[in-house]
Amino acid sequence: QQPVQSPQAVILREGEDAVINCSSSKALYSVHWYRQKHGEAPVFLMILLKGGEQKGHEKISASFNEKKQQSSLYLTASQLSYSGTYFCGTVSGGPTTSGTYKYIFGTGTRLKVLA
Amino acid sequence: DAGVIQSPRHEVTEMGQEVTLRCKPISGHNSLFWYRQTMMRGLELLIYFNNNVPIDDSGMPEDRFSAKMPNASFSTLKIQPSEPRDSAVYFCASSPRGRPREQYFGPGTRLTVT
Repeated sequence: QQPVQSPQAVILREGEDAVINCSSSKALYSVHWYRQKHGEAPVFLMILLKGGEQKGHEKISASFNEKKQQSSLYLTASQLSYSGTYFCGTVSGGPTTSGTYKYIFGTGTRLKVLA
Repeated sequence: DAGVIQSPRHEVTEMGQEVTLRCKPISGHNSLFWYRQTMMRGLELLIYFNNNVPIDDSGMPEDRFSAKMPNASFSTLKIQPSEPRDSAVYFCASSPRGRPREQYFGPGTRLTVT
């Protein structure tokens, strides 16, 4: 039931672009993205609430396809500071189903940007 | 503004001992989450509170784990008795009123049970 992220790991050179995908088997209300640097806590990047919505943070943007239960994170012109593990977080369930919202994080994608 | 505060940052204990982890959420936030992170299982939600009330504790692994939130500024996660498989980093996160998905994580407590 954990959202699956792909790729599991990616290595980039500074300035290159990358796409990280998040796919869920459950209907989603929203998707949120976090970045975690080694030895640190996850840091909130952005949330997407509507199907097809795209949001941006610095040179990082994301899309959410509600029908496909998928989200993608786009990193353009990557910088050294982008290195870390990226997690998608999903919210499913709610009053109309199980009664409570379920917050589940994806499997994670390790990103390393080289100079 | 102060972020989420967790204590202790590191805890080493022997199997069978009681462990209490503490969390102070960001002032004004009304949702609080406890997570556990391991290499094998990733980031798992254990329990979350809304306005100090536990909403979903289905992620709590077993009866050895309990969590409380006696007021809006303090929460504890207790493990009694602890076991080596409980070794992990435990994160507490809080979120603003009306925005539960926008979670701000504390620095975590690294627990080692020998």
